[in-house]
Amino acid sequence: GAGVSQSPSNKVTEKGKDVELRCDPISGHTALYWYRQSLGQGLEFLIYFQGNSAPDKSGLPSDRFSAERTGGSVSTLTIQRTQQEDSAVYLCASSLVYKYNEQFFGPGTRLTVL
Amino acid sequence: AQKITQTQPGMFVQEKEAVTLDCTYDTSDPSYGLFWYKQPSSGEMIFLIYQGSYDQQNATEGRYSLNFQKARKSANLVISASQLGDSAMYFCAIPVYSGGTSYGKLTFGQGTILTVHP
Repeated sequence: GAGVSQSPSNKVTEKGKDVELRCDPISGHTALYWYRQSLGQGLEFLIYFQGNSAPDKSGLPSDRFSAERTGGSVSTLTIQRTQQEDSAVYLCASSLVYKYNEQFFGPGTRLTVL
Repeated sequence: AQKITQTQPGMFVQEKEAVTLDCTYDTSDPSYGLFWYKQPSSGEMIFLIYQGSYDQQNATEGRYSLNFQKARKSANLVISASQLGDSAMYFCAIPVYSGGTSYGKLTFGQGTILTVHP
């Protein structure tokens, strides 16, 4: 009965380095979402996957951000050439297809760019 | 474009009392839903309650109820009999629609920090 898991839980990196954040959704959930939560802010939508495809990438803040999903399961969010403004908590959620109102969130990855 | 506003940065309530967290929204979509999530200090977002815009009765889930006033575009969360474990950040959210579908994309308010005093 595992929920959504994310790794690492914390990541500290130097400006200019690339980072990969991983999300493992609930088994059977074909919809997967990435959000970003900056300090003191609400959640900001980044990208949505339906299976392995991403019909809506409009929330990705720049071309340094990319995401992929393989096998309809695990997803990786990659940030290239990290900047200090990328520091935030990155949250992943999953849901059954068409059950968008029941998104289950993971614990998040806290990214700190020095 | 959809917009969610939570005007209370922080709220305090005495244990066992009820508290109302405010949320107003603006959307041009004819059909939408309102969500409330709880985020404890652990960081995980916990889904609390959902109300569709065409639902006739206010949604209720245990101690949580949604005071939905469509004409005023408000969807306030009412927590009855507050418990110490209710201390957390609370977010109101609404789907963002593009081309008739939201793909589950949610727009969140800024959140309200609720502190329950013993």
